[in-house]
Amino acid sequence: SAVISQKPSRDICQRGTSLTIQCQVDSQVTMMFWYRQQPGQSLTLIATANQGSEATYESGFVIDKFPISRPNLTFSTLTVSNMSPEDSSIYLCSVSGGGNQPQHFGDGTRLSIL
Amino acid sequence: RKEVEQDPGPFNVPEGATVAFNCTYSNSASQSFFWYRQDCRKEPKLLMSVYSSGNEDGRFTAQLNRASQYISLLIRDSKLSDSATYLCVVKPGGSYIPTFGRGTSLIVHP
Repeated sequence: SAVISQKPSRDICQRGTSLTIQCQVDSQVTMMFWYRQQPGQSLTLIATANQGSEATYESGFVIDKFPISRPNLTFSTLTVSNMSPEDSSIYLCSVSGGGNQPQHFGDGTRLSIL
Repeated sequence: RKEVEQDPGPFNVPEGATVAFNCTYSNSASQSFFWYRQDCRKEPKLLMSVYSSGNEDGRFTAQLNRASQYISLLIRDSKLSDSATYLCVVKPGGSYIPTFGRGTSLIVHP
């Protein structure tokens, strides 16, 4: 399976600031996914990032709050904008081979907002 | 009804015990099924795929019942290191996007 690296692994931020999370994959992938996992909850898909087109956001998530870049087939970024304590969560980058292939995850970014 | 439902537990079992988790799904078009393991504040990691005929990987056995729309995970001879949350994951046919259950917490004690 692909090796997926996320940076930073954790951060503590002040409310109102923004943080950009980077995701690097060691092979070319068509689709990359960004998830959020709040404490005690399951994974929630934020958006699907395709190279060369705008990301597709799930219900409840908007581009102004979570802008995503996908400049090439091995890299993506997620920005969490104008952060509030409710954004404290683990953010996970993921790739999938599609079809009946499983999802694989980066090691996550643990974000705490003061 | 949630798309993928799991008993959140926790299941608290002694070392050496056998424990089983069930997961039900609502989308009859689901084609791919997986169990993931997630340690506290870590990313989910694929434990095993679930095949129609059932499959086994060491102490772990996964089964699928399409008629009743549930999958199961059986862990034999539990180890302390099996303590984790086990996520049931279901993917509709032709879709890149899976649906995750909330997970079942397992605590194996000495």
